[in-house]
Formats: sequence, structure tokens, C-alpha cells
Amino acid sequence: GAVVSQHPSRVICKSGTSVKIECRSLDFQATTMFWYRQFPKQSLMLMATSNEGSKATYEQGVEKDKFLINHASLTLSTLTVTSAHPEDSSFYICSARVEGNTEAFFGQGTRLTVV
Amino acid sequence: AQSVTQLGSHVSVSEGALVLLRCNYSSSVPPYLFWYVQYPNQGLQLLLKYTSAATLVKGINGFEAEFKKSETSFHLTKPSAHMSDAAEYFCAVRSGTASKLTFGTGTRLQVML
Repeated sequence: GAVVSQHPSRVICKSGTSVKIECRSLDFQATTMFWYRQFPKQSLMLMATSNEGSKATYEQGVEKDKFLINHASLTLSTLTVTSAHPEDSSFYICSARVEGNTEAFFGQGTRLTVV
Repeated sequence: AQSVTQLGSHVSVSEGALVLLRCNYSSSVPPYLFWYVQYPNQGLQLLLKYTSAATLVKGINGFEAEFKKSETSFHLTKPSAHMSDAAEYFCAVRSGTASKLTFGTGTRLQVML
């Protein structure tokens, strides 16, 4: 199956700093990428949907100025958590899909801890 | 609108016993349905998917699910549980041309010796 690589898998940062998470589709071109947040023992909450070359569509309640999403190419999307605070600590997961394909492929996730 | 309900946040079975994880969906148009498995601190791996072809779908690791339109269900089963099946399982729905998946709350499967 298609492979989505997410980097880093774990990151610890100081409060007030920014962190960038990368999501790459390794063997296919992803027309759409999704970013999710998952709290401990809970389901995935969709944060935003991004299409290559256009602005991301954020879900209600997600601060677009805090969670900056860039989808500059068909194989790379990035999520930047700006001015991170401890409450931003969470597991972030990306997924990628080719238009017309029913299936989305998931990255392995990034555990963010803000201290 | 689309939604998924997973009954039972925790399911515990003995090794070798039948696994049944329940999923009911709501969708205004014919849905695409998915089951994913998540191991600790990892992303999601697709087990199987229903895309309006055969109603009984076979997936990886011996899992299968049956789409029942009359019951709006897509329950996941495996005849004989293995210790390695212990994980979190998510049911998800995507309606027609909608691009995003809606996930259920997940079911944690515990397999006992």
C-alpha cells in the first residue's frame, strides 16, 4: 500500500516556541492531506483539510493562526504549532488521499510535548 | 451529515475466541466505510473498507466486516483472537464525494490468555 511518512515521531519543546511537523507521501501524489489531533484514549479529531496549492480549510474551533498548515507540493504538507503551550501537547496524525480514491493513508503520528 | 457510533469502548476476549466490534453509521448518501487499527503511539492502519461492492469485506489479519444497510451497521469480526490483536480499533465513514472521514470514538480490544 501507499506510504505516508510523518516526521518527527516525537518532539519536546519549550512553551512559547514553534514546532513544525512534516507529512510526506512517499510513493504517490496526494491531492488532499488531512491533519488530526488525538487526545489520550480518544478518537481522532479533524483539525484541517488541505489541498495542494490552496489554503487549508479548518474545522470549527481550530485556530488557524496557531496551527499553520502548508501544502506546497503534492507530496508534502506541514503543520506548524506556533507559540506552543502545554495544552497543545497531543498526538498529531496526518493522512493523505488521492482524488478519486476512496482510501486515505495515515502517517505514524507525532507525539508533541510542550514543557 | 455523516456519523459513526461504536458501541463499547472496551471489549475483552480470550485468546482463540470470537472478536466482535460493533459499528453503526449514519449517512445521507451511500457511504464508504472503513475499519482502522491503531497500536500505541502509532498511526492508523487500514484493516478493510466497504466501497459499495461486496457487502462482506475481508481484510488483513483475518478480520472481516459485513455491510448491512437495513441495520446501518458495519461490525468487525474475527473468528479467533490472537494476542497481537490487542489494540484500538476505529470505525470511520465517508459519504459520497465528501473528502473527510468521520471517526467513531474507538474500541479498545483486550485479548486475555
